[in-house]
Amino acid sequence: DAGVIQSPRHEVTEMGQEVTLRCKPISGHNSLFWYRQTMMRGLELLIYFNNNVPIDDSGMPEDRFSAKMPNASFSTLKIQPSEPRDSAVYFCASTPRTSGRASTDTQYFGPGTRLTVL
Amino acid sequence: GQNIDQPTEMTATEGAIVQINCTYQTSGFNGLFWYQQHAGEAPTFLSYNVLDGLEEKGRFSSFLSRSKGYSYLLLKELQMKDSASYLCAVRDRGGGGNKLTFGTGTQLKVEL
Repeated sequence: DAGVIQSPRHEVTEMGQEVTLRCKPISGHNSLFWYRQTMMRGLELLIYFNNNVPIDDSGMPEDRFSAKMPNASFSTLKIQPSEPRDSAVYFCASTPRTSGRASTDTQYFGPGTRLTVL
Repeated sequence: GQNIDQPTEMTATEGAIVQINCTYQTSGFNGLFWYQQHAGEAPTFLSYNVLDGLEEKGRFSSFLSRSKGYSYLLLKELQMKDSASYLCAVRDRGGGGNKLTFGTGTQLKVEL
């Protein structure tokens, strides 16, 4: 089975440019999460979706960041304009959301996109 | 909000046992996860606890005490490949009930 797919794997851009990160969750999973990881702050949740609907975007740093999930198999995270402090590894994860009872709901992570903003 | 605390670094010897502790504070506890992350790779799931007690899975075990806001990950018969960062994560009931907050991770180094 294919895992979570992210593209690009590496992105180097200049300050002020628009950056779009892409994610394809595992087929059949209906929760999707975007995280950012840095040495200083660790792994931080930016936003997550249930059934393509954004549930919690309180982790989105500011208006320069936006995320969409137009269908169950695709999501984007966009940064416009990008800044050097946005340099980080961005992970996408998905989980097979169950009926609502307490469950493992393990999150499966993609390989990440390493973003460098010069 | 949530506060998760775990040691930054630990060193242990191949073949030994190591315990990585995690303490947390949360308003709506709904499960605790441990993930392993090798350098340059994605986190991978190790264990899950929602009730008090010990969950054993091969060389790895995880313990939870909800009243104390405390968990540990126990690694037995350490191997060199266990050198990695170990992330403690707490799930909260709020915000749809599926939100994880991660600790900053414990970097484990296994030596000969």
